[in-house]
Amino acid sequence: GIQVEQSPPDLILQEGANSTLRCNFSDSVNNLQWFHQNPWGQLINLFYIPSGTKQNGRLSATTVATERYSLLYISSSQTTDSGVYFCAVSSGGSNYKLTFGKGTLLTVNP
Amino acid sequence: DVKVTQSSRYLVKRTGEKVFLECVQDMDHENMFWYRQDPGLGLRLIYFSYDVKMKEKGDIPEGYSVSREKKERFSLILESASTNQTSMYLCASSLPFLGGETQYFGPGTRLLVL
Repeated sequence: GIQVEQSPPDLILQEGANSTLRCNFSDSVNNLQWFHQNPWGQLINLFYIPSGTKQNGRLSATTVATERYSLLYISSSQTTDSGVYFCAVSSGGSNYKLTFGKGTLLTVNP
Repeated sequence: DVKVTQSSRYLVKRTGEKVFLECVQDMDHENMFWYRQDPGLGLRLIYFSYDVKMKEKGDIPEGYSVSREKKERFSLILESASTNQTSMYLCASSLPFLGGETQYFGPGTRLLVL
């Protein structure tokens, strides 16, 4: 099946700093989503982005499908950005069957 | 807003018990999912349902079964709980797959099997 690798596994920032999270995938995808899981376990969808660029406030994401990677940018980080960021993809005929990466644990210190 | 609720946030069971995890969504979504999340492994799909009484196995269905008798409710059943089923269980729902459908997650159930 498709492989998803996220980097870095852990990231510690001071409030106000910018960061870039990376997701590499091993095959062409028809679905790519970024999620944030807060420290209490709640997962929230951030972006659906199988290709192209999207922005939502301080967050933006870019997927270069031909090179099989996606980037999540967080600008002016806040303590509430802390948590785990997951990239999830699907390929082939099963565009519902998301394969998740292992996540990036982000800690933003005040 | 979509709301997905799970019956328990924390659950402690003994080996061999039959365990029911319930998930309810209020947005009339056709698709519902059960995942488990373990440290270092991310989320893995256990079962998926695309309609009432319809289900498909995910990546790790062994030791689990599911039930979907009503559109809004999707149950995960551990027929005989084992210690290796100690995990965080997450339910999700979404619209039918036409491209771009977000999966909405419940708060999760942390299950400990002793």
